Amino acid sequence: DGGITQSPKYLFRKEGQNVTLSCEQNLNHDAMYWYRQDPGQGLRLIYYSQIVNDFQKGDIAEGYSVSREKKESFPLTVTSAQKNPTAFYLCASCGNTDTQYFGPGTRLTVL
Amino acid sequence: EDQVTQSPEALRLQEGESSSLNCSYTVSGLRGLFWYRQDPGKGPEFLFTLYSAGEEKEKERLKATLTKKESFLHITAPKPEDSATYLCAVQTPNTGGFKTIFGAGTRLFVKA
Repeated sequence: DGGITQSPKYLFRKEGQNVTLSCEQNLNHDAMYWYRQDPGQGLRLIYYSQIVNDFQKGDIAEGYSVSREKKESFPLTVTSAQKNPTAFYLCASCGNTDTQYFGPGTRLTVL
Repeated sequence: EDQVTQSPEALRLQEGESSSLNCSYTVSGLRGLFWYRQDPGKGPEFLFTLYSAGEEKEKERLKATLTKKESFLHITAPKPEDSATYLCAVQTPNTGGFKTIFGAGTRLFVKA
């Protein structure tokens, strides 16, 4: 089955800790995205990558980092510099059409 | 400033009671408008893409329409399983490419 997977489904972070969220796709899509979703707000773009070994900051990149070493993978690290990381994180990918397809999400909670 | 606004924030319907969700947008240029369905705790599921005013798309009980300023998602004779949050997103040209702006969504509750 083609699709996008995210892991873990739930993640808990302690103060001062960095955590990494995984996103993998087997759709052969070039572009991948990370969004943050908070209650009552639209999805906000954290980082995006249009090609391997290249990525760009989105609207709320502070406190986050990414890498794109493989076409299939786009992990997101939430660093200790992100002061309010509790949110639902969504990864998406996009191929030749303009449509973004989303993974199932990771819910991050700060303890 | 580019903006996407969805209304109402929440909508409660009886089973079989048809209604419409609105997505109004103010952007410098429209490349495409997307509708998604999102169930609680899950990622958005793609429904439709609309590209130009006058375009319509249908899928089961859902029909999406587009004008130069807004899009409607019409729900005909809804069932309880249609309960979800419906997201609208607009893609607009941006420096070096394009950007996608999401609305906050409309939460739909359909009661049996």
